[in-house]
Amino acid sequence: SAVISQKPSRDICQRGTSLTIQCQVDSQVTMMFWYRQQPGQSLTLIATANQGSEATYESGFVIDKFPISRPNLTFSTLTVSNMSPEDSSIYLCSVGKTDKSIYGYTFGSGTRLTVV
Amino acid sequence: ILNVEQSPQSLHVQEGDSTNFTCSFPSSNFYALHWYRWETAKSPEALFVMTLNGDEKKKGRISATLNTKEGYSYLYIKGSQPEDSATYLCAFKNYGQNFVFGPGTRLSVLP
Repeated sequence: SAVISQKPSRDICQRGTSLTIQCQVDSQVTMMFWYRQQPGQSLTLIATANQGSEATYESGFVIDKFPISRPNLTFSTLTVSNMSPEDSSIYLCSVGKTDKSIYGYTFGSGTRLTVV
Repeated sequence: ILNVEQSPQSLHVQEGDSTNFTCSFPSSNFYALHWYRWETAKSPEALFVMTLNGDEKKKGRISATLNTKEGYSYLYIKGSQPEDSATYLCAFKNYGQNFVFGPGTRLSVLP
């Protein structure tokens, strides 16, 4: 299965600022996703990062708040814009070949974000 | 919005005990179910991908079963060890939608 490098691993940010999280995969992957887990909540899909086109956002998430880039099949970034304390979460990128691949999805190590 | 539930929310077992937990999901338009283990400060790790009603998967001391008609999957751990301590997540997908994760079961195995 793929190996993912996700950076930064953690950060403490001031409200009103933005943070960009990077996800680098060691092989080309078709599917790449961005998730977040707010304290005490389930892991929730933010968007599907599409190579060469705009990301597909889930209900409740918008591009202005979470702009995503995916310039090629091995790299993606997620920006958390104009942060507030409610954005304090673990953010994870995830990749997969197919939904029924025996390997499941592979996740990055996560970015633990605290907004003060 | 799909509702995926897991129970119990957390449990503590003694080393050597066997345990099991449940993932419940909508029974219509089933596509696939994943189980993940998420240890603190690490990435979620895929345990099983289950796609057919009646599927039974096994990896070492951990096994899982799937009942798509009634909408549940069980995860079993035989002879729990401290290194099994983690949060166990299930993720459900039906046709036309992305995976939805359950809230997880947090397992603590006491030596």
